[in-house]
Amino acid sequence: AQSVAQPEDQVNVAEGNPLTVKCTYSVSGNPYLFWYVQYPNRGLQFLLKYITGDNLVKGSYGFEAEFNKSQTSFHLKKPSALVSDSALYFCAVRVPFYGNNRLAFGKGNQVVVIP
Amino acid sequence: NAGVTQTPKFQVLKTGQSMTLQCAQDMNHEYMSWYRQDPGMGLRLIHYSVGAGITDQGEVPNGYNVSRSTTEDFPLRLLSAAPSQTSVYFCASSYSTTGPYEQYFGPGTRLTVT
Repeated sequence: AQSVAQPEDQVNVAEGNPLTVKCTYSVSGNPYLFWYVQYPNRGLQFLLKYITGDNLVKGSYGFEAEFNKSQTSFHLKKPSALVSDSALYFCAVRVPFYGNNRLAFGKGNQVVVIP
Repeated sequence: NAGVTQTPKFQVLKTGQSMTLQCAQDMNHEYMSWYRQDPGMGLRLIHYSVGAGITDQGEVPNGYNVSRSTTEDFPLRLLSAAPSQTSVYFCASSYSTTGPYEQYFGPGTRLTVT
């Protein structure tokens, strides 16, 4: 079965420092990988996705993610964190086949950016 | 476009009561789904639909029913509420069941069952 793991519960980072949120995946087949962000009391917002091609994917709000097939990872990164980046981040995976768009989500990482 | 809308935003139920959580999207999306979010557990899929008239179970379907009579609407019914169903519920939609399309989420319904 497809799954993702987000090994850290919380990531603390000082404002202006690089931010990394880790995600590893387990699928049989080529994955579609997604990152979503959830601000307090809001629904999830799409940040970026990897389908195929370039391993470095750029997304919204200055975020990017690197797909690494050998390490089965899809870590989310931002070069310089802002206080407004404090939120809950979810990694998700889908194995593409016709008729199903099911996503498996990780448990989420709380990011706290310290002023 | 309003996107994905959900009503109500908050609801308190007593054990054994039933209710329907409403979800609608105005993007003509084929795929719609319901998730529940519980602390430390991420989002878990309850039910999903790949088009009008077609629904299927997700990871945690027990105690919930769905139907999809139109492309726009995908209500979630709690048959007999239990405290274990206290959670935040999100509806999501996606353009198609094929292709790497991201899902769009509604704002959520916070449900408490006492």
